[in-house]
Amino acid sequence: SQKIEQNSEALNIQEGKTATLTCNYTNYSPAYLQWYRQDPGRGPVFLLLIRENEKEKRKERLKVTFDTTLKQSLFHITASQPADSATYLCAADRGSTLGRLYFGRGTQLTVWP
Amino acid sequence: DSGVTQTPKHLITATGQRVTLRCSPRSGDLSVYWYQQSLDQGLQFLIQYYNGEERAKGNILERFSAQQFPDLHSELNLSSLELGDSALYFCASSGGYQGDTQYFGPGTRLTVL
Repeated sequence: SQKIEQNSEALNIQEGKTATLTCNYTNYSPAYLQWYRQDPGRGPVFLLLIRENEKEKRKERLKVTFDTTLKQSLFHITASQPADSATYLCAADRGSTLGRLYFGRGTQLTVWP
Repeated sequence: DSGVTQTPKHLITATGQRVTLRCSPRSGDLSVYWYQQSLDQGLQFLIQYYNGEERAKGNILERFSAQQFPDLHSELNLSSLELGDSALYFCASSGGYQGDTQYFGPGTRLTVL
């Protein structure tokens, strides 16, 4: 069955550094990947979407890449701040499944001063 | 604020009972999705409705059912509740039915005692 895996459950980095989160998928080829941020007790908030024919997407301090050979997406936060501390979820869709998103378990990022 | 509303915010009930969770999508969105999030399972897709019709089904138990009304709000009905049903239930909405960014509500925290 289709699988979305985020290898790290937790990532701790110092303020100002670049955080890099990994998302791998197996057993299928998603049409696109999405990244969401989730704060404790709140709903996920959409950050970025990258399609299978795109290598890289940027939005302010965020960058996401999509490597269909490695079956992997990397999510980068540059110049990280304590306010970036949250859980980041990777989600993938397959167009034929009508908008259904498969979510990874998430990576909890902590940025310390 | 995503524009998606969910009520109630918290719900405490006993095993064997039945509850109804309500969701109002963003203005203009035709698709509504329901997700369950528990500590050990992550975010699990339950079911999708598009313009009043069921479009996709995920890991939804037979004890659970949902519907989307003509005004596009949706209800998730959970019956014969068990302790393991305790979780956060999120509703999300999107404009189309395929390949769209999903906007999540604040969630309903269900506790079954």
